[in-house]
Order: sequence, then structure tokens, then C-alpha cells
Amino acid sequence: DVKVTQSSRYLVKRTGEKVFLECVQDMDHENMFWYRQDPGLGLRLIYFSYDVKMKEKGDIPEGYSVSREKKERFSLILESASTNQTSMYLCASSLPVRVAGDQDTQYFGPGTRLTVL
Amino acid sequence: RKEVEQDPGPFNVPEGATVAFNCTYSNSASQSFFWYRQDCRKEPKLLMSVYSSGNEDGRFTAQLNRASQYISLLIRDSKLSDSATYLCVVNIGSGGSNYKLTFGKGTLLTVNP
Repeated sequence: DVKVTQSSRYLVKRTGEKVFLECVQDMDHENMFWYRQDPGLGLRLIYFSYDVKMKEKGDIPEGYSVSREKKERFSLILESASTNQTSMYLCASSLPVRVAGDQDTQYFGPGTRLTVL
Repeated sequence: RKEVEQDPGPFNVPEGATVAFNCTYSNSASQSFFWYRQDCRKEPKLLMSVYSSGNEDGRFTAQLNRASQYISLLIRDSKLSDSATYLCVVNIGSGGSNYKLTFGKGTLLTVNP
């Protein structure tokens, strides 16, 4: 079974703090993703990575950065946390789609509920 | 038109009912389609992929209409345990670097005893 773990289930930080959210997957997946999920807005992609040291912006990258130094680990960084970054953060991983028909199923971690005061 | 659009519900149905969810997508180049399920305070999990020919998994049937850019999920004989949010998910690429899935906002289903 694929396992995606996130470093914390709940996190409370203060405005202006630097926040690190860690995600680890154990299935040797090339692709990893960070989303945030807010009521009424659904899942929104922040950043994704398709290989070590590679990253691409998603739909809402502002205020975030990422790091992928090892294949199994993808970190989301809030350089200076703000109250509008209070949200549920979900990490996911998947295999690459090399040919049509490949499964691009994403497997999610349990999420980190971040509150910024 | 939003990339992936679903009726948000909520759908409240009695046990044993048949319920159908619909989803439309805007990009005609979309290649793969899924339904995910998300329980309250849990992460999304794949329920089933959706194929052009339609596919069935027990009480669940998914259909795709490429001409109308429309996906559906039918749940027969609803169980209490089917209560969840159902997410329609689309991928517009089939290779290269396009790994992004686009998620609908979800449809909330509550099955009542």
C-alpha cells in the first residue's frame, strides 16, 4: 500500500513565523504535490514536483515555496505566515504518466490543519 | 466556464436510494477522469477511474460523455457508509510534464437511516 505521511496533523503558528510542512512518501513516486483545501473553494494546487530538485508552480503559489532534495520528501515552506494561510494542507504523490493509459492516481497524506494567529 | 464543475449539494437520501452526481469539464483535451471520495476530516481517496466505455464497480457506475464534456457517478442501494463528499477529477494531459489533476469542489452526500 502507498503511504504518504505528513509531519503534523495540527499546527498553530503566529503571523510572520516561518513554517515548514513536511511530506514523505514510501512508494518511490516521481511526482509530489502540495494542495490547500478551504470550504467552498475545494482543493487548490500550490506547487508540484516531478523530480528531485524540480518544481513547478500550481494555481496559487504566492506566499509559498517548496523544496525537493530527496525523492521521497517534499517540503512546503511559508516564508512569513499570514492569517489567510490558515487552511488544511494536503500532500499527494503519484507515478509519472509516460504513455497514454498510465494511471495518474494521486495518493494523499492525512493533511495538516494549520492555524495562523 | 469553470474547469471542473459539480453540483455542491448537499444530497440527502434514505438508505437504499439511488443517487446520481454530475460533473462537467471545460477542457476538451482532457485525457483522464476520476471520482475521488473524501470523508469528513479525512484525505481524498480514489473511488474509481472513469473510462469512455463506462465502468462499474459493485454499486457504483461511472460514465463519461466526451462530446458533452460530462462525467457522472451513479450509486445504487445507498449505504450509510456512502456518506461523504464526492470529488470529480480531471487530467488534461497524458504525458510529458502534465501531471496536474484538476479537482471539482465536491458534492456532499448524506445517506440517512
